[in-house]
Amino acid sequence: KAGVTQTPRYLIKTRGQQVTLSCSPISGHRSVSWYQQTPGQGLQFLFEYFSETQRNKGNFPGRFSGRQFSNSRSEMNVSTLELGDSALYLCASSTSTPGEETQYFGPGTRLLVL
Amino acid sequence: EDKVVQSPLSLVVHEGDTVTLNCSYEVTNFRSLLWYKQEKKAPTFLFMLTSSGIEKKSGRLSSILDKKELFSILNITATQTGDSAVYLCAPSGAGSYQLTFGKGTKLSVIP
Repeated sequence: KAGVTQTPRYLIKTRGQQVTLSCSPISGHRSVSWYQQTPGQGLQFLFEYFSETQRNKGNFPGRFSGRQFSNSRSEMNVSTLELGDSALYLCASSTSTPGEETQYFGPGTRLLVL
Repeated sequence: EDKVVQSPLSLVVHEGDTVTLNCSYEVTNFRSLLWYKQEKKAPTFLFMLTSSGIEKKSGRLSSILDKKELFSILNITATQTGDSAVYLCAPSGAGSYQLTFGKGTKLSVIP
């Protein structure tokens, strides 16, 4: 089975711009979660989608948003980029079956905001 | 607020040594605890623990959970340079659909 894929892998943007990142989960996985990883804060949860519905959201400003499509692919959007948004953005997929909470991570998108 | 503390934050050992990594947690409605290994890329899954006292093993790695004392340990025996990585623990709570990650333990294995 193919793993979680994320595009693009690297991105450079300037302050004030917006960015859209894409994630394709493992086939059959209906839950997609997004995380931000920075050296200072570590891995922090952004939000989780299941069957096109956001079920949970972390403590991030409204500039961070996401969505999920009927084929379980997900996108996250960051508007009005700030320097502090520079990070590795990871998505993870799972079956979300009770007892099978394991999340499998994609390679990440490294975003640099100048 | 959910809380995860890993210790030590970093560790340098020689090949062949045995290491123990610690993870203590406070999570509402705890359901499971996962361990991941992260090299210079995405975290890769190691173990999922749900029951106290049952050791999970995979080769030289093993892990156990204590739900009464709210901690887990990850043991690596006969360490190799390929074990050098950041090890992350992440408990999840029932119905939260999220993992709360600790800051990780950076393990460096020198020849």
